[in-house]
Amino acid sequence: NAGVTQTPKFQVLKTGQSMTLQCAQDMNHEYMSWYRQDPGMGLRLIHYSVGAGITDQGEVPNGYNVSRSTTEDFPLRLLSAAPSQTSVYFCATRRTRVGNTEAFFGQGTRLTVV
Amino acid sequence: AQSVTQPDIHITVSEGASLELRCNYSYGATPYLFWYVQSPGQGLQLLLKYFSGDTLVQGIKGFEAEFKRSQSSFNLRKPSVHWSDAAEYFCAVPTSTGANNLFFGTGTRLTVIP
Repeated sequence: NAGVTQTPKFQVLKTGQSMTLQCAQDMNHEYMSWYRQDPGMGLRLIHYSVGAGITDQGEVPNGYNVSRSTTEDFPLRLLSAAPSQTSVYFCATRRTRVGNTEAFFGQGTRLTVV
Repeated sequence: AQSVTQPDIHITVSEGASLELRCNYSYGATPYLFWYVQSPGQGLQLLLKYFSGDTLVQGIKGFEAEFKRSQSSFNLRKPSVHWSDAAEYFCAVPTSTGANNLFFGTGTRLTVIP
């Protein structure tokens, strides 16, 4: 039972390149989300999904796309990387969208855009 | 909208001393509240959560938190800090959107000195 698995752990991109951050969960959780963590700003929600086939924008969605074709996977795509997207990215899942359910986090992906 | 504020960016305590980390919330009704801990290079882990009932909540690793409606606070405490408690601590609250996305405070970094 791996929980929430993010790949890769580290990535360096050049400005303008695209890439996909992977997130997979084996807990059969309905809800999945992506956050970015920047110094002094806590975690900010990028996109989220309340179930397969359903996605929506969070607080900072610009420059990112997501899809949720299966319950298990929720990839985050950077369309054209910019230095402002240098950050640590976390995938988080919750059993349901109900407010009192806790979130489970992956280990993070540290992305540097040069 | 629901939100939390963590007024302390960085706290330093001596090993064996007591600890209190502050969290203030903005919420219309009785909120759900969470404390998470992030060790260096790791994802976030749930320490404890408050839903209703007893205002003093016990968590893992010897932490506790007290919900005080009159002060709109949910402060995290530990009677005696260990060097392994050095980490970043985040308070979180579900937002009022339909998906109850978690809104995180900006975090408090704890340094423990011998």
